[in-house]
Amino acid sequence: DGGITQSPKYLFRKEGQNVTLSCEQNLNHDAMYWYRQDPGQGLRLIYYSQIVNDFQKGDIAEGYSVSREKKESFPLTVTSAQKNPTAFYLCASSTPGTVKTQYFGPGTRLLVL
Amino acid sequence: SQKIEQNSEALNIQEGKTATLTCNYTNYSPAYLQWYRQDPGRGPVFLLLIRENEKEKRKERLKVTFDTTLKQSLFHITASQPADSATYLCALRDRGLSGGYQKVTFGTGTKLQVIP
Repeated sequence: DGGITQSPKYLFRKEGQNVTLSCEQNLNHDAMYWYRQDPGQGLRLIYYSQIVNDFQKGDIAEGYSVSREKKESFPLTVTSAQKNPTAFYLCASSTPGTVKTQYFGPGTRLLVL
Repeated sequence: SQKIEQNSEALNIQEGKTATLTCNYTNYSPAYLQWYRQDPGRGPVFLLLIRENEKEKRKERLKVTFDTTLKQSLFHITASQPADSATYLCALRDRGLSGGYQKVTFGTGTKLQVIP
């Protein structure tokens, strides 16, 4: 089955702790994205990567970091600098070309202890 | 400023009726607009895409219209079923004034509840 997997489903962060959310895809897509979703708000773009070893900040990158060492993987680290990390995090990849249909993973819910 | 607006109030509709959801945008020149379905605790799933030069698209019980003069897209579900209950998100990609990456921007979504 082709698709995007995210792990874990739930993640708990302690104060001052960095945590990493996993995102893997086997769709052979070059482009990958991380979004944050809060109640009553649309999806907000954190980081995106159009190709391996390259990534760009989105609208709300502060307090987050990413890497893109492999085409299949795009992990997101929520650092201690992110003061309000509680949210639903969604990873996506998109089809090539000018029309980008996005395929989303099941999401990771991050909670602060 | 740029805005994508969807009705934040939930839409309740009787089974068998047509549900119509609205997406309005401000200060965008969309190259295309997409509609996604999102179930609680899950990632969005792509449903339909309509390009700037298209007026209407259909897929089974789904229909999308796009009016660039009104700056609005309507999403219709005919013969609605309880299984259609979900949140529906619109998303658009701006044409942009120059080259470079143009991201897809999502609206906040409208929750649809189909009552048996």
